[in-house]
Amino acid sequence: EAAVTQSPRNKVTVTGGNVTLSCRQTNSHNYMYWYRQDTGHGLRLIHYSYGAGNLQIGDVPDGYKATRTTQEDFFLLLELASPSQTSLYFCASSDRDIYAEQFFGPGTRLTVL
Amino acid sequence: AQSVTQPDARVTVSEGASLQLRCKYSYSGTPYLFWYVQYPRQGLQLLLKYYSGDPVVQGVNGFEAEFSKSNSSFHLRKASVHWSDSAVYFCALSAGVVGQLTFGSGTRLQVYA
Repeated sequence: EAAVTQSPRNKVTVTGGNVTLSCRQTNSHNYMYWYRQDTGHGLRLIHYSYGAGNLQIGDVPDGYKATRTTQEDFFLLLELASPSQTSLYFCASSDRDIYAEQFFGPGTRLTVL
Repeated sequence: AQSVTQPDARVTVSEGASLQLRCKYSYSGTPYLFWYVQYPRQGLQLLLKYYSGDPVVQGVNGFEAEFSKSNSSFHLRKASVHWSDSAVYFCALSAGVVGQLTFGSGTRLQVYA
């Protein structure tokens, strides 16, 4: 069965801290995504990738970097975390198809103090 | 630019009652439309999707949605809800670019016995 895993599941850091969120998919999908979920906003796309070494900017990229090291692994980096980045982060993957379902991981709750 | 509006942040219904969750979209072209559900402490899962054809589309667990181009709507329905349907429901739109979904803010459904 298709699977997207995320680590850590919970993370607390301080303002200015350095955080890396990890995502791995075993779906053999080309596309991977990072979203943040905030009350009243639904999910907003931060970055996405359509293959190893590729990175595309989403709708809310400021303060975030991302790297796609392999087809399976996609990382989200917060190099100088701020309290405004306190959120629930989801990773997802999909086939290369406009109509394709996105498969989501369980999420990482990040708190920046 | 496209947008998705879910006007009801919370909906409460009794078990066995019928349900409608509203979704309105704004997009000048032909949209790809999706409904996702998020159960507590889980990622999002696809309920159903629509692009063309019969405006009433069937999904999992007895859910269906009806597309209306004239009303720019894609409302989700269920004839008889169960307590296990309690979750957050998201409507999403794709403007035809792979991977770029625009989500609504979500509707939290609570089903009471």
